[in-house]
Amino acid sequence: EVQLVESGGGLVKPGGSLRLSCAASGFTFSSYSMNWVRQAPGKGLEWVSSISSSSSYIYYADSVKGRFTISRDNAKNSLYLQMNSLRAEDTAVYYCARVMSYSTPTFDYWGQGTLVTVSS
Amino acid sequence: VIWMTQSPSLLSASTGDRVTISCRMSQGISSYLAWYQQKPGKAPELLIYAASTLQSGVPSRFSGSGSGTDFTLTISCLQSEDFATYYCQQYYSFPRTFGQGTKVEIK
Repeated sequence: EVQLVESGGGLVKPGGSLRLSCAASGFTFSSYSMNWVRQAPGKGLEWVSSISSSSSYIYYADSVKGRFTISRDNAKNSLYLQMNSLRAEDTAVYYCARVMSYSTPTFDYWGQGTLVTVSS
Repeated sequence: VIWMTQSPSLLSASTGDRVTISCRMSQGISSYLAWYQQKPGKAPELLIYAASTLQSGVPSRFSGSGSGTDFTLTISCLQSEDFATYYCQQYYSFPRTFGQGTKVEIK
């Protein structure tokens, strides 16, 4: 069974940093691209970042470019999101999501999410 | 950036109704479109990909159509478990973008 479990969320002050993790199981993690998607309270979904299976291709939303860094450790079946210079508008539930395949790069499995709150 | 206009934002319907949700793109995306369902406090779930292909395990009352710039999600006979928020998403190019969402509520 595919499982994605996020962790690392919490309360952080504006300008602070946080590192999110996503532990994957039930599939060959090293074969799949992965993404982070976030959802501000009461709002819609916003794609944040994408990383290919071997980390060769990385993309970011303009809203986080230069502040967030996506990475992965295939040996540990883990995905990460390093978030620096956090702002109030980064407050959201952050989901990790698996890409279905190279030819169909939509998100077929999602974690349960981890809440990040940026507030003084 | 490909902008998406999803409508309506709120849809009031009754069990058994046929409902349709629209998603319009700012530029053509062939069939690189997915639909998700999200219930309160839960992660989104993939319903349809490639505009019209049903994800495994999704009931056949859900269907998708369209290509290019105009897409539609149809629920043929609304069930109680279908009251949720629905999002379209394009995966034609980066940045990936989502529609604003359609909340389907009980009339």
